[in-house]
Amino acid sequence: DAGITQSPRYKITETGRQVTLMCHQTWSHSYMFWYRQDLGHGLRLIYYSAAADITDKGEVPDGYVVSRSKTENFPLTLESATRSQTSVYFCASSESTGGREGYTFGSGTRLTVV
Amino acid sequence: AQTVTQSQPEMSVQEAETVTLSCTYDTSENNYYLFWYKQPPSRQMILVIRQEAYKQQNATENRFSVNFQKAAKSFSLKISDSQLGDTAMYFCAFMIETDSWGKLQFGAGTQVVVTP
Repeated sequence: DAGITQSPRYKITETGRQVTLMCHQTWSHSYMFWYRQDLGHGLRLIYYSAAADITDKGEVPDGYVVSRSKTENFPLTLESATRSQTSVYFCASSESTGGREGYTFGSGTRLTVV
Repeated sequence: AQTVTQSQPEMSVQEAETVTLSCTYDTSENNYYLFWYKQPPSRQMILVIRQEAYKQQNATENRFSVNFQKAAKSFSLKISDSQLGDTAMYFCAFMIETDSWGKLQFGAGTQVVVTP
């Protein structure tokens, strides 16, 4: 019962580098989401997806890119990392239409940009 | 746009006592869903309780219960008989029923510390 897996769990990268955070789910959930968690802001939506090749921007998409070529994978790429992107990143998925039963979250990736 | 406000950054409670976390939200929608998530030090996000706005009855899950006041746009969480394992960050979240994508809007969180 792998559920939803994020990798890596911790990552340190340098300013200007490209970095990709991985998210893999084993339930064939249609809906997937990327959030970032920052103190005082809670979780803010970066990107979301309803199916393979269907994605859209959330509240804070600048500097991020996503892709979803397969239902089970939803990687998040920081094209040129900045210190302001230091955060904890969560991937989530939902089974029912619109996630009305709530999301299932991955365990998060703590990213530090130095 | 919907907003979710958690006005208490941190709360402390002794074991076996009760603590209530506040959450207010702003929306012009009539149908929506409200959630409380728990994030212990392990960082895992765990769904605690869920409420549908069209239901007047307050949701309850074991020691966790909510006080949903739709007119006041308030959704507080009560933790009864607090245990050390309840120490965590608690997030209130909101989703409108007509959002087919099911996007959740989160509050800033309340850190709950349960002391012996």
